[in-house]
Amino acid sequence: ETGVTQTPRHLVMGMTNKKSLKCEQHLGHNAMYWYKQSAKKPLELMFVYNFKEQTENNSVPSRFSPECPNSSHLFLHLHTLQPEDSALYLCASSPLMGLVGEETQYFGPGTRLLVL
Amino acid sequence: TQLLEQSPQFLSIQEGENLTVYCNSSSVFSSLQWYRQEPGEGPVLLVTVVTGGEVKKLKRLTFQFGDARKDSSLHITAAQPGDTGLYLCAFNFGNEKLTFGTGTRLTIIP
Repeated sequence: ETGVTQTPRHLVMGMTNKKSLKCEQHLGHNAMYWYKQSAKKPLELMFVYNFKEQTENNSVPSRFSPECPNSSHLFLHLHTLQPEDSALYLCASSPLMGLVGEETQYFGPGTRLLVL
Repeated sequence: TQLLEQSPQFLSIQEGENLTVYCNSSSVFSSLQWYRQEPGEGPVLLVTVVTGGEVKKLKRLTFQFGDARKDSSLHITAAQPGDTGLYLCAFNFGNEKLTFGTGTRLTIIP
């Protein structure tokens, strides 16, 4: 399998549930990202990991908890979410951060999340 | 805060017509990318540019970048239904991250 994969593709959860989103990249990249995509809003960067270290937390509520066990895998743990958290959650990877021209991001297909 | 505005927000045209969409920044950018996102998928890179004033062509798509490095346009010739999707511009302002625009949702009617 190649590229960036995300599971599950669709998720419906109640506000009291705990779930996790998984992302895996097979591109040998060193940076991984979580984005939130809502209707009528730009892609919102949530978290950035560079060489497994978190380098960015874009003021994301603590009910979202990322985990990056290695450069190929990224998780987003979800608990006590709100209906307004319903969105498409996209994972991306890039070869490196900080170098102009190396910031191309390769996206997974996303997880469509609905919080009831 | 850097802002990226894309226009129009929505565009629906007949197959075979030409169209142009725009991306404008409030700040100078280091590099620029255009992505296309089809329904049910993540964005896919179309082009990257790092030189102001540059023009790049990708088949029927022509990307133009402003000399001042604050704006860009995407022109599609003879649009086809396969061009339908959300077009996103993304700038690197030199802070190691990409900032995405609001997007133009394009629909090509057969």
